[in-house]
Amino acid sequence: GAVVSQHPSRVICKSGTSVKIECRSLDFQATTMFWYRQFPKKSLMLMATSNEGSKATYEQGVEKDKFLINHASLTLSTLTVTSAHPEDSSFYICSAILGGPYNEQFFGPGTRLTVL
Amino acid sequence: LAKTTQPISMDSYEGQEVNITCSHNNIATNDYITWYQQFPSQGPRFIIQGYKTKVTNEVASLFIPADRKSSTLSLPRVSLSDTAVYYCLVGDDNSGYALNFGKGTSLLVTP
Repeated sequence: GAVVSQHPSRVICKSGTSVKIECRSLDFQATTMFWYRQFPKKSLMLMATSNEGSKATYEQGVEKDKFLINHASLTLSTLTVTSAHPEDSSFYICSAILGGPYNEQFFGPGTRLTVL
Repeated sequence: LAKTTQPISMDSYEGQEVNITCSHNNIATNDYITWYQQFPSQGPRFIIQGYKTKVTNEVASLFIPADRKSSTLSLPRVSLSDTAVYYCLVGDDNSGYALNFGKGTSLLVTP
């Protein structure tokens, strides 16, 4: 199956700093990628849809100035958590769609963000 | 958006067949039903997808009745490594992609 990677896998930062998370489709091109957030023992919550070459589409309640998304190429989308605070600590997961018969999402391994 | 409802948790012994049912009463005509599996601290993994009747692959079977208001994921002869959270999703009306994860079913398989 298609492979999606994320970097870093784990990051710890101080409150007020910004953190960038990369999502790459390793063996296919993805015009659309998705970013999710998952709190402990909770389900995945869709944050935004990242579109190559255009602005991301954010879900209701997600601050676009807080969570900056850049999809500069067909294989890379980045999520920057700006001025991070402890409440932003979460598991961030990206996904991409290969466009096969099922339109299923291929998920990255996730990034564990801890804001001190 | 079609909302899904699943049991919060299920327990099973190794070697048994496990059936997880998902309710999606307001599924749209064009929506497909997709199931994902997630292990702790990992991204979800696609299991199976169907539209109606029965679909089977090397991992699971998916049973969908004629009214499509529910679906059942069937895992044959589960092993300890099948312990995970299983999510049922139906397609998003706007994008055509299944993006909205419900609460999922936490399956615990024990010896």
